[in-house]
Amino acid sequence: AQTVTQSQPEMSVQEAETVTLSCTYDTSENNYYLFWYKQPPSRQMILVIRQEAYKQQNATENRFSVNFQKAAKSFSLKISDSQLGDTAMYFCAFMKVRAETSGSRLTFGEGTQLTVNP
Amino acid sequence: GAGVSQSPRYKVAKRGQDVALRCDPISGHVSLFWYQQALGQGPEFLTYFQNEAQLDKSGLPSDRFFAERPEGSVSTLKIQRTQQEDSAVYLCASSLGVWFTEAFFGQGTRLTVV
Repeated sequence: AQTVTQSQPEMSVQEAETVTLSCTYDTSENNYYLFWYKQPPSRQMILVIRQEAYKQQNATENRFSVNFQKAAKSFSLKISDSQLGDTAMYFCAFMKVRAETSGSRLTFGEGTQLTVNP
Repeated sequence: GAGVSQSPRYKVAKRGQDVALRCDPISGHVSLFWYQQALGQGPEFLTYFQNEAQLDKSGLPSDRFFAERPEGSVSTLKIQRTQQEDSAVYLCASSLGVWFTEAFFGQGTRLTVV
C-alpha cells in the first residue's frame, strides 16, 4: 500500500513571495506518478502539476515547480510570485502506473492549507 | 456537460435515513471514481468503475455503502441508514481512459448527518 504524508497543516506567505510545500511518500513501486492538487473553498480539486517518476527532470508549470527526490521519496511544491488566488488547500497525491483493478486511483496526503497575505 | 457535475451540493440527513448522491461524469469518460473527504482531511478512495463495471470497491467503509453506474455514464452512491460518521464531502472524478489519464473532479456533495 502507498502512503502520502504532508507534515505542514498550515502555511502562509506574503503576496509575491515564494513558498515551498512538503510531501513525502512511501511505496514499493518503481514506476508511478505524483501530483499536486489545489482545492479552493468551492471544493473542486484542480490539478496543479504532475511528475512521472521515471523522469529525472523536475516538472514546471508557470509559477509552480516541483523538487522530486526519488531516492528520498520526497516531492515538494514551490510556488513563486504567490498570488492571492493561490490561497487554497493543497494536496499531494500518488498514482500507480498500472493498477490491475483500480485504474488511475489516487492516494492523497492530508493537505496543507496555504494562505497568501496581501 | 463541460465538467463533472454532482448533485445535490449539500444534503442534510437525519441519522438512519437513506441518501443517494449523483455524479454526472464528463461525456465519454470511461473511468469514474468516488472519494470520501472528511473535514480537514485528504480524500480517500471509495470505489472505481470502468464503464458500467465496478472493478474496485475496496474503499467502501461498510455494507451500508453501495454504488452503481448501470449504463456506464451517470453514477449513484447510496448510503443506507446514515450515521454521524458518514458526514463528509463525497467527491466524484472521471477520466477519459483507464491507465494514467487526468482525473477531473466535481465540486462534491457535502453530507451532514444529524
